[in-house]
Amino acid sequence: GAGVSQSPRYKVAKRGQDVALRCDPISGHVSLFWYQQALGQGPEFLTYFQNEAQLDKSGLPSDRFFAERPEGSVSTLKIQRTQQEDSAVYLCASSLTTTRNTIYFGEGSWLTVV
Amino acid sequence: AQRVTQPEKLLSVFKGAPVELKCNYSYSGSPELFWYVQYSRQRLQLLLRHISRESIKGFTADLNKGETSFHLKKPFAQEEDSAMYYCALRGEYSGAGSYQLTFGKGTKLSVIP
Repeated sequence: GAGVSQSPRYKVAKRGQDVALRCDPISGHVSLFWYQQALGQGPEFLTYFQNEAQLDKSGLPSDRFFAERPEGSVSTLKIQRTQQEDSAVYLCASSLTTTRNTIYFGEGSWLTVV
Repeated sequence: AQRVTQPEKLLSVFKGAPVELKCNYSYSGSPELFWYVQYSRQRLQLLLRHISRESIKGFTADLNKGETSFHLKKPFAQEEDSAMYYCALRGEYSGAGSYQLTFGKGTKLSVIP
């Protein structure tokens, strides 16, 4: 596709439910990032992949958050036992390489935990 | 640690008036600074980056290392400039780690007709 694609666009989850958010980066992009954006805040870094390798997961808020990119293209962010504070927009972004390339963002997955 | 501060949550200006969106940063090395814009119901997109030293849609931003600032400016605001603006910083690439952006909290620009 022409841009970073994310699904679902909107998700309502009951507290305690597991959710999975999918990201299709721009074809050929080596670097993939996940960000969390709470209401009224800027995006905050969660984790980074270089191809299939997860090189940085320092931003994941708890062990309930897990991300993978097994074949170096599509990535999934999984949140187990969701809690209300997990309600946010989850943004995926990709860039061509690890050097100074532009980072392109998807439209985000809006998660509401009720 | 790296940090980006955007002191204004909301900035309202009249059409045709000058605009300045403030951004200050904290970083010990040589950062790369960006402005991202998010129009209503659209994705976050890059507006400009300091290393390009270009003007996009009439906007410019100059990196001032002495004041650790990267303010976004436009001489004459247009209604279509109404959007959320985020200043972001990328630190020096460390090799094994990530090369992620650190964002400010954003400023909502509202251009009054």
